[in-house]
Amino acid sequence: GIQVEQSPPDLILQEGANSTLRCNFSDSVNNLQWFHQNPWGQLINLFYIPSGTKQNGRLSATTVATERYSLLYISSSQTTDSGVYFCAARRGSEKLVFGKGTKLTVNP
Amino acid sequence: NAGVMQNPRHLVRRRGQEARLRCSPMKGHSHVYWYRQLPEEGLKFMVYLQKENIIDESGMPKERFSAEFPKEGPSILRIQQVVRGDSAAYFCASRENQPQHFGDGTRLSIL
Repeated sequence: GIQVEQSPPDLILQEGANSTLRCNFSDSVNNLQWFHQNPWGQLINLFYIPSGTKQNGRLSATTVATERYSLLYISSSQTTDSGVYFCAARRGSEKLVFGKGTKLTVNP
Repeated sequence: NAGVMQNPRHLVRRRGQEARLRCSPMKGHSHVYWYRQLPEEGLKFMVYLQKENIIDESGMPKERFSAEFPKEGPSILRIQQVVRGDSAAYFCASRENQPQHFGDGTRLSIL
């Protein structure tokens, strides 16, 4: 099945800094989603982005399907951005496969 | 339009008891997925159901675990004779087309 790898595993930032999180996948996909799991464990759907670029406030995401990677950009980070960011991918009708996540800590 | 609703949010069971986790999909969604998240790990697929049918259960342990999605009512994930290793967060997701929408999860603790 498809493999999903995320980097870096951990990231510590000062408030106001920008960051880029990467997700590599091993095969062509028809579903790529980014999630934020907050410190309370809730899973927040950030982007559904099998290809192209999307923006939502301070967050944006780009998926280059032909090169099998996706990037999540966080600008002007805030302490509330802390948590774990997951990407998940699906090929065809197969199951959604999650990466191990990037743990982000934003310090005031 | 309410999101995916899971209950209970927290469930505590003693070893050997049964755990029942419920998931009400978003209105109009007929596809339901269950995932398990062990501490400090990502989510792992367990089972995919589409109204009364199990489509893919390749991620379900062969024993003690079962899932259903009846014609009426929520989807149920049932764990019989729970053991300490079943302690985890269990997430449900639903969709009609794409993407999958996730509930807030049920945190299962085994004493």
